[in-house]
Amino acid sequence: KNEVEQSPQNLTAQEGEFITINCSYSVGISALHWLQQHPGGGIVSLFMLSSGKKKHGRLIATINIQEKHSSLHITASHPRDSAVYICAVRPTNSGGSNYKLTFGKGTLLTVNP
Amino acid sequence: NAGVTQTPKFQVLKTGQSMTLQCAQDMNHNSMYWYRQDPGMGLRLIYYSASEGTTDKGEVPNGYNVSRLNKREFSLRLESAAPSQTSVYFCASRGRPWGTYNSPLHFGNGTRLTVT
Repeated sequence: KNEVEQSPQNLTAQEGEFITINCSYSVGISALHWLQQHPGGGIVSLFMLSSGKKKHGRLIATINIQEKHSSLHITASHPRDSAVYICAVRPTNSGGSNYKLTFGKGTLLTVNP
Repeated sequence: NAGVTQTPKFQVLKTGQSMTLQCAQDMNHNSMYWYRQDPGMGLRLIYYSASEGTTDKGEVPNGYNVSRLNKREFSLRLESAAPSQTSVYFCASRGRPWGTYNSPLHFGNGTRLTVT
C-alpha cells in the first residue's frame, strides 16, 4: 500500500476553472512537497510545506497535519497548467543523511481551452 | 546557471549492454539522487549521495552502480542492462541552507532509457 495517495488520478477542466488536487498520507511527516511534471519534461518543485498554506501566483498549497492531508489549488486554470502534479512526503522516521521521500503516483491534469 | 543537467536524454540499449548516465549540478549542493519513474508508480530512489565521497543504496539499487565523482557530478551505471530497467531516470540535487531541515529537490530533465 502506497503511503501517499493522490486524488483524482486524472482531471480534465475547462480554461478558467478552479482546480483542486488532493494528497493524503498515512505517516507522520516533516515536510510535504508538490512537484509539477510537463509531458515528456523534467520535474519542477512547486512547494515545500510543513504547516499552513503557501501561495505562488495562481497556485496555492495547503496542509492539515492533524488530518494528514494536503491540497494543491490552481485558480483561473490555463492550458499551460496541463501537467502531472506529484505529491511527496518526508516521513519523520526517515532520519540520517538520506532525505527519503515517498512519492504519490501523480495526478494528470488537462486544461482545455 | 543551468541547475541539474542530465545526459543523454534518450538511449536505446540491447540486453547485456552497459552504459553510464551522467548528471551534473552547478548549485553547490551536497546531496544528489538518482530516481526511476515507471508508469503507474511513484518515483523510486535508486541511489543517493549525501555528500561528496559518500554513496548509499535507495529502494531499488539492484543492477545499478553509482559514482560521486566530485561535488558537482553523480553518475549512474548500468553494467548489464535488462528490459526491467526500461524507465525514465531522473537525477536530483538538494542543498541544505544553514539552519534548515527540509529543502526542495532540483531535478534534471530526465533520461528515457529503453532496453530491448
